[in-house]
This record gives sequence, C-alpha cells and structure tokens, in this order.
Amino acid sequence: AQSVTQLDSQVPVFEEAPVELRCNYSSSVSVYLFWYVQYPNQGLQLLLKYLSGSTLVKGINGFEAEFNKSQTSFHLRKPSVHISDTAEYFCAVSDGGLTGGGNKLTFGTGTQLKVEL
Amino acid sequence: DADVTQTPRNRITKTGKRIMLECSQTKGHDRMYWYRQDPGLGLRLIYYSFDVKDINKGEISDGYSVSRQAQAKFSLSLESAIPNQTALYFCATSDSRGEQFFGPGTRLTVL
Repeated sequence: AQSVTQLDSQVPVFEEAPVELRCNYSSSVSVYLFWYVQYPNQGLQLLLKYLSGSTLVKGINGFEAEFNKSQTSFHLRKPSVHISDTAEYFCAVSDGGLTGGGNKLTFGTGTQLKVEL
Repeated sequence: DADVTQTPRNRITKTGKRIMLECSQTKGHDRMYWYRQDPGLGLRLIYYSFDVKDINKGEISDGYSVSRQAQAKFSLSLESAIPNQTALYFCATSDSRGEQFFGPGTRLTVL
C-alpha cells in the first residue's frame, strides 16, 4: 500500500518570497510522483511529475520539485511566489501498476498556499 | 473544448433521492476514476475502471455505484443520497503511467 503525507495544511507566505511545500510518501515499490494544483472553484491541474531520470523536475508556473529516494520525499519549491499562486496543492503517488492494482493515484490531504502582499 | 467534462456542475438534492453524475472524456484514455473531495481529507477514490468491462471499488465505495457505458463515459450514482455524501466530486482519466486529467468537478449538496 502507498501513502502520502503533507504535513503542512496551510502555508502563508509574502509575495516574492520563496516557498517549499513538503511531501513525503511511503511505498514498497518504485513510484511515480505528481504535484497537482487546485485554484478556487476549479478542478485539479498537473504542476509537474517525476516518472524517471533526473531527480529535479521542473513544472509550470516556475515550480520545481526534487525527488529524494532516501528520504522518500518530493518537496515542491518556488523561488519567488506571486499572488496568483494562492491555491491548494496536492502531492500524489502512483506505483505504476507494479503492485497489481493498476496505477491508481494516492493523494495527500493538500496544502493551502496563501500568498499575501 | 475541455478534455474531461462533468454534468451537472452543481446539484442540490434531498435525502433519499437517487442522483447520477456523468463524466465524458475526449482524451481516448481507457482508465477513468471517480473521487470525492472533502475539506482536509484530500481526494479519496470511489471507483475506477480500466476499460469498459472492468470496474473496481476504491477506498470509499459504500453508497455509490458506477456504470461505464463506453470508453468515453463513466457515470457515478448515489442510489439513496444522504447528507454525508455532500462533497465535491471529480472525474478523471489517465494514461498508462498514471498521470491523471481531471474534470471541473460537481458540487453536490444533500439536504
């Protein structure tokens, strides 16, 4: 079984400051990792994904994440946030079908990023 | 046009009523999913389907049923709605590596 932990339910930050949203996962097999963003009253949109290769993944809107296998983490970062980044962010993990249950996603409980002036 | 569409977008109903939420996709994916989102709980999987003849329960399937009418259509039904099924419901499709594409959501309120 897989699980995802997003320890921070809310992260307030001032505009133009850097931000890191934390994500830790557990899995018995190799994983694929994803970050999704949900803007108010909208569905989920993919920010970035790690499938294989380079552990530093760059996504849309200036976000990036680093896959750290030894620490089972996939933290999301942005060097300078904007008001428009205010949204809820979800980390998710997939086993790629390796455990026989298909490649379902397991989501964390989300982190609400609030960017203030 | 959106790749994944959901109807209705909003619905208010009463306890005991039967409700159907519909999802259509134009991405050509075989895999489709239904989730519910509740504040502080993230997204929880209700049902998923890997092709037209394959239906699987997710972690919270009690009180729900689904129908995969075609590759592009996946419907979620609440046979007898109850207030704790008030939530935001999302349909999603995926490619073979698990990246999922979400619809805009249906906000359901059960009074």
